[in-house]
Amino acid sequence: GAVVSQHPSRVICKSGTSVKIECRSLDFQATTMFWYRQFPKKSLMLMATSNEGSKATYEQGVEKDKFLINHASLTLSTLTVTSAHPEDSSFYICSAGSIMVYEQYFGPGTRLTVT
Amino acid sequence: GIQVEQSPPDLILQEGANSTLRCNFSDSVNNLQWFHQNPWGQLINLFYIPSGTKQNGRLSATTVATERYSLLYISSSQTTDSGVYFCAVEQVTGGGNKLTFGTGTQLKVEL
Repeated sequence: GAVVSQHPSRVICKSGTSVKIECRSLDFQATTMFWYRQFPKKSLMLMATSNEGSKATYEQGVEKDKFLINHASLTLSTLTVTSAHPEDSSFYICSAGSIMVYEQYFGPGTRLTVT
Repeated sequence: GIQVEQSPPDLILQEGANSTLRCNFSDSVNNLQWFHQNPWGQLINLFYIPSGTKQNGRLSATTVATERYSLLYISSSQTTDSGVYFCAVEQVTGGGNKLTFGTGTQLKVEL
């Protein structure tokens, strides 16, 4: 299957700072990337969909000014959590898909802790 | 929006036992995927199965799209099968082909 990487795998930051998470598709061109959030012992919730070269589409209830998404190339999307607060602590997972790859492939996730 | 329910929510098996996990969805879907989330959080693709039956080793899956359900069969379970199993359904929307995840089944396989 296709390989998707995320960096960093784990990050701890202070309240009020911003954190950037990178998602890369390593062996295929991802026309669409997705960002999910997962709370402990819960399912994955889609936050936003990003298409290369265009603005991201956010799900209802997700603050676009807090969770900035950029999909600058066919292999890289970034999620920036701005002015992070403890309630933003969570497991963030990206996935990548394309018209050539029917399935979505997922990165290993990033565990964010805001102190 | 579409509802995706999985059952059972929790399952404990003895090594070597067989099990069936179920995924029910409330609306028509274009595609369905099964994933295994390992203890480190990585989602592993198991099946891409919009309809019909597929098998891969000890795992097999069946989707009956007209009746809005899918089943995942695990035979001769091993401790490495432990983790959370998710189904996710795909619908074509104006925002792209989004996946909606089910509620998950937490599986623990014991010696």
